[in-house]
Amino acid sequence: SQQGEEDPQALSIQEGENATMNCSYKTSINNLQWYRQNSGRGLVHLILIRSNEREKHSGRLRVTLDTSKKSSSLLITASRAADTASYFCATDARTNAGKSTFGDGTTLTVKP
Amino acid sequence: GAGVSQSPRYKVAKRGQDVALRCDPISGHVSLFWYQQALGQGPEFLTYFQNEAQLDKSGLPSDRFFAERPEGSVSTLKIQRTQQEDSAVYLCASSLGGGRSSYEQYFGPGTRLTVT
Repeated sequence: SQQGEEDPQALSIQEGENATMNCSYKTSINNLQWYRQNSGRGLVHLILIRSNEREKHSGRLRVTLDTSKKSSSLLITASRAADTASYFCATDARTNAGKSTFGDGTTLTVKP
Repeated sequence: GAGVSQSPRYKVAKRGQDVALRCDPISGHVSLFWYQQALGQGPEFLTYFQNEAQLDKSGLPSDRFFAERPEGSVSTLKIQRTQQEDSAVYLCASSLGGGRSSYEQYFGPGTRLTVT
C-alpha cells in the first residue's frame, strides 16, 4: 500500500484562487517531497521539506509539515491555468532511506 | 545532458517478448531509482542503485524484472516474458546523493510500455 495519500483526489478552481492539497502518511520520515506531473510527462520536483522543518516557501508554493499528525499540505496561491496538473507527495521513510513512496496524487484543474 | 533521459519513450511489445528500457541519469549523480506508474496512480518504487550497487530491489514485482547499472552511470531495466499487467510508464530518477541524505530526485520523461 502507498505510504502517502493525497486529499482531495481532484480539485477544480478558478484562476486566481488558492489551491490546498493535503498528504497523510503512516511511518516516521526523513523528509517529504512534493512533485507536479503534467499529463503524459515526467515528474517535476517542487519542494523538499525535512522532518525537522515545519514550513517552506518557494514562490507561490507553501508547504507545511506536521510530524505529530503525519501530514503535510501544499498551498498554491494565486493559481494559474498553467498550474493544472497532478500533484504528488513522496515520503522518504527513516527505516528505508533513499526510497521514496508516492501517493496517488491530487488532480488540480485551474479554469481560466 | 541537462536532465535525465530515457529511451525509448514508447515501446509496444507482444506478450512474451523481452524488453530493455534505458536510463541516462544526470552526470555525477550517485543514486538512481526506477519507478512504475500505472494510469491514474502514483509512481511505485521498483529499485534503487547507489553507484553500481543495487541497494534495494524490494519493489520489483517478479523475477521477470531485472535492473543493472554496471558502471554506476547508465541503467537498464529489463523485463522478460512481458505480460499485459506490465503495461505502465516506467520512470527513472537520479539524485546527487543517497542513503540517509535528503536529496532531490530528478525524473526522466518515462518510457510508456504497452504489452499487447
